[in-house]
Amino acid sequence: DVQMTQSPSSLSASIGDTISITCRASESVSSYLSWFQQKPGKAPKLLIFASSALQSGVPSRFSGSGSETFFTLTITNLQPEDFATYFCQQGFTIPHTFGPGTLVDFK
Amino acid sequence: QLRLQESGPGLVKSSETLSLTCEVSGDPINGFFWGWIRQPPGRPIEWLGYIYYKGDTTFSPSLKDRVTMSVDTSRNQFSLKLKSVTSADTATYFCVRQSGFRGMKIDVWGQGAPVSVSS
Repeated sequence: DVQMTQSPSSLSASIGDTISITCRASESVSSYLSWFQQKPGKAPKLLIFASSALQSGVPSRFSGSGSETFFTLTITNLQPEDFATYFCQQGFTIPHTFGPGTLVDFK
Repeated sequence: QLRLQESGPGLVKSSETLSLTCEVSGDPINGFFWGWIRQPPGRPIEWLGYIYYKGDTTFSPSLKDRVTMSVDTSRNQFSLKLKSVTSADTATYFCVRQSGFRGMKIDVWGQGAPVSVSS
């Protein structure tokens, strides 16, 4: 299986901050990389797919980049509703695998 | 707007079979992959597999001996069966739509169905 790792595992930020979360794959996943946001008790929500494509309805303050084994999710001008857990996921190799998550909370 | 809704028992006895159904509303089931994903408490999210609307299946190798999936296009729903369950199968189970090349984009999720396995 392709192992996905994320860093940091958690971070504290303030409203208006710009933050970045990185995701590494144990082998190349080309650009088949998605980012999800999850809030407690809710299903994950797709933010970014194909490494950098913004899902319809997602604010433009979310952006993604990267290819092969290294990817980044950046959130600019952090808003109150952005405090959540973020996961990366590869859809290149079966089984599709997820990162362990990064918790973004209030500083 | 497309909506997915899981249904099934919330408690399953160890060694028995977990069965869940996902009802798809708002759009036909045709043309997409339909998958199952679970989130065990305190453990990473796990992709179980998916079924194409025509019935072709792809499963996670770690579960392929225990999992079956089926689709009923006439009722716009698809189903999961996981046999010989243990406490390690306790999780919230999500049904999802997977679109794009090889179903790489998981763009719609159900609200999730918590399932506990009891001894």
